[in-house]
Amino acid sequence: AQKVTQAQTEISVVEKEDVTLDCVYETRDTTYYLFWYKQPPSGELVFLIRRNSFDEQNEISGRYSWNFQKSTSSFNFTITASQVVDSAVYFCALIGNQGGKLIFGQGTELSVKP
Amino acid sequence: DAGVTQSPTHLIKTRGQQVTLRCSPKSGHDTVSWYQQALGQGPQFIFQYYEEEERQRGNFPDRFSGHQFPNYSSELNVNALLLGDSALYLCASSPPPWERTDTQYFGPGTRLTVL
Repeated sequence: AQKVTQAQTEISVVEKEDVTLDCVYETRDTTYYLFWYKQPPSGELVFLIRRNSFDEQNEISGRYSWNFQKSTSSFNFTITASQVVDSAVYFCALIGNQGGKLIFGQGTELSVKP
Repeated sequence: DAGVTQSPTHLIKTRGQQVTLRCSPKSGHDTVSWYQQALGQGPQFIFQYYEEEERQRGNFPDRFSGHQFPNYSSELNVNALLLGDSALYLCASSPPPWERTDTQYFGPGTRLTVL
């Protein structure tokens, strides 16, 4: 069975702090894709990043960075110098080699206080 | 470039009624997926449509059905509504398979309340 676990239900930080959101996944597929989405209070899921199982290079995009480690089945997301606008629920998700169905974690609610 | 659009934004129904939700995919996308998101939970996959056929289905009863039209837009129908069907219903679209990406782009959702 495929599963995504986000153990942190809620995180609260003060603006300009760095914060890491954890994601652990389970799959028996050798080919799969991992995603992070952001869901602000408006409700729309915003795509942040897609990673395939063969690419373990870390990625940085502005204040966002992602650390993918197959050895620990983790795909963690770090926000550097957090801002109030980063407040949202963040979801990690997985698609297996048959495609189609996104499997989401429970989400981590990040609150950045001024 | 228009993103994924959904209608209506909000909907209130009573138990036993039927509801139809609508979705138009992002330009250039031909695959539409539907998800149900209960309060405080991650989205759950309902089904996916491609070439006007249901290609994959999640663990949802037959009360949930869908359709895809030749212009790639899609409808989600739910019959015999239950209180537990109250949720945010999200539509996502993705490019054709030959583009070799499974990235799904989501619409703003329809908030369904069943009383």
